[in-house]
Amino acid sequence: EIVLTQSSLSSPVTLGQPASISCRSSQGLVHIDGNTYLSWVQQRPGQPPRLLIYQISKRFSGVPDRFSGSGAGTDFTLKISRVEAEDVGIYYCTQGTRFPWTFGPGTRLEI
Amino acid sequence: QVQLVESGGGVVRPGGSLRLSCAASGFGFSGHGMHWARQGAGTGLEWVAYISWNGKSTEYAGAVTGRFVISRDDSTSTLFLEMNSLRPEDTGLYYCVKEFNTGWTLEFWGHGSQVIVSS
Repeated sequence: EIVLTQSSLSSPVTLGQPASISCRSSQGLVHIDGNTYLSWVQQRPGQPPRLLIYQISKRFSGVPDRFSGSGAGTDFTLKISRVEAEDVGIYYCTQGTRFPWTFGPGTRLEI
Repeated sequence: QVQLVESGGGVVRPGGSLRLSCAASGFGFSGHGMHWARQGAGTGLEWVAYISWNGKSTEYAGAVTGRFVISRDDSTSTLFLEMNSLRPEDTGLYYCVKEFNTGWTLEFWGHGSQVIVSS
């Protein structure tokens, strides 16, 4: 099973400042089709998770451009260029490259 | 717009069974892989099960293999999760999740159905 670990944020984050969350995988995440199925989801308080970034760096429809993803191999990063109040919640990285699919433990963003 | 509405949760004793349903609308259900994921109270997310777009392939998390069965009815755009031999550690909010059209990504989540396993 692929294990994903995530960094914590130095809480709380200041409005308008950048924030960065890292995700490390216990194995490489390149699928046999050549793509890397590492994505990021956001879970706001009391809400279901919402897809932000897929395939490392592709922003999902409707996601503000202050969110960006990067990385390769086993190390990946989610960056928020300027944190806004609505960004409060828990961020999870997740992989769909190999079954069983797995999630990181989550990183809480507080303001 | 895409809607996923879960139902069928409740309180059950250890060893009991429940069947969750997920009514899908707003997209071509029969063309998408579907998943179940869960979240314990105050804890993180856990992937549970997957079924391919045509129903011919299924996968399960190790913790539920042999006890849970995922299935789908494309005629009614409904996803199911049959849960047997339930344990207290199965307690949580169960989400129905639509897979992205390019595959291998959890795109859209329902609001979940609560399952409590307790004596």
